[in-house]
Amino acid sequence: DSGVTQTPKHLITATGQRVTLRCSPRSGDLSVYWYQQSLDQGLQFLIQYYNGEERAKGNILERFSAQQFPDLHSELNLSSLELGDSALYFCASSVLEGAGYGYTFGSGTRLTVV
Amino acid sequence: DQQVKQNSPSLSVQEGRISILNCDYTNSMFDYFLWYKKYPAEGPTFLISISSIKDKNEDGRFTVFLNKSAKHLSLHIVPSQPGDSAVYFCAATTGNQFYFGTGTSLTVIP
Repeated sequence: DSGVTQTPKHLITATGQRVTLRCSPRSGDLSVYWYQQSLDQGLQFLIQYYNGEERAKGNILERFSAQQFPDLHSELNLSSLELGDSALYFCASSVLEGAGYGYTFGSGTRLTVV
Repeated sequence: DQQVKQNSPSLSVQEGRISILNCDYTNSMFDYFLWYKKYPAEGPTFLISISSIKDKNEDGRFTVFLNKSAKHLSLHIVPSQPGDSAVYFCAATTGNQFYFGTGTSLTVIP
């Protein structure tokens, strides 16, 4: 157990639907990052929050949004789902905003859009 | 635009021999480089990192080498063990942004 909790572990949904992925960071970590890993690509950075505020945006689609709550957990909302959104979604957390020493990943949520 | 590239999708090595995983990058502003290891159905776990001001960092069986002029990073595992079989991602960071390679699947043959 890495200390970063992601729920649900698996999600199967239909095209056009909306889902919410949840992440609880490791205790004491203020930064939360979301990544998408699809079959043919590496980990693609989506978005980062630090202590409730958005800090950096990567290749996140407009159909996707995220937020970090006062208790520091984060949710990634994916709407108008398409087949191509099927992927592993990872959340990671770190103490600082930027880390040169790496940070801790959750075990991921596997999203299948049918 | 893939700023961090791992051109070898897979690598097989005999147990006890050296495993060398390679990574190339394009952005000279990266200030830290990291390696992550990932087992199936688990999130990546941090393995080792190196600052851009160094050219080598060692931690037990794992050594990371950085060649800034070539924009090249490598991870050496000596000796390789069957438990090292996993996907290895290299990553680079500048500011708040992390960029990952596509991963290399290492198989260590007993």
